[in-house]
Amino acid sequence: QVQLQESGPGLVKPSETLSLTCTVSGGSISSYYWSWIRQPPGKGLEWIGYIYYSGSTNYNPSLKSRVTISVDTSKNQFSLKLSSVTAADTAVYYCARDRRVPAMYYYYMDVWGKGTTVTVSS
Amino acid sequence: SSELTQDPAVSVALGQTVRITCQGDSLRSYYASWYQQKPGQAPVLVIYGKNNRPSGIPDRFSGSSSGNTASLTITGAQAEDEADYYCNSRDSSGNHLRYVFGTGTKVTVL
Repeated sequence: QVQLQESGPGLVKPSETLSLTCTVSGGSISSYYWSWIRQPPGKGLEWIGYIYYSGSTNYNPSLKSRVTISVDTSKNQFSLKLSSVTAADTAVYYCARDRRVPAMYYYYMDVWGKGTTVTVSS
Repeated sequence: SSELTQDPAVSVALGQTVRITCQGDSLRSYYASWYQQKPGQAPVLVIYGKNNRPSGIPDRFSGSSSGNTASLTITGAQAEDEADYYCNSRDSSGNHLRYVFGTGTKVTVL
């Protein structure tokens, strides 16, 4: 059974870069898409972006200028970098497996990590 | 980009049926997926596609879609179904594949 685990600093200073890693266990990162999602305190879910195991990416337009998602297939990990953070980036960050059946118009995220809380504060 | 709108909150008596709706233009092109989130926990996929339940999700959860509206129905709601529910869909605007989440619905089981 595939499991995801987010890791990274829980506290980031304003204007610095937030860096998180998602480790995939119980299965291979290959042949799948992988997404990052975040949830500010008391608010809803926001999709940040995805990466395919081959390295192709796509990002939420509202975050695109600050986001980089990368993959390391040798470590079965993918990572998120968000630059120039502000207090508005304080959130629980989730990684998830992104499944698609385009011919059936199905898109969904079937496995999620437990999430990691990142606070932006000096 | 597209938006998905949900009612902020609904309540249901124990054992009764509740329907949660999600409206947005992208739903005319793509099916919604639905996620249950309990306090302090990660979201859990409950419905995807036309009306598919992942393994382990009770059959009291079902999904449907018509026009620009997707619905999640809980038939015979249980106390453990009290949670926030979010819809999600591929964004139909633009050429690149992007996702959008609904605003979320808090379900209270009375």
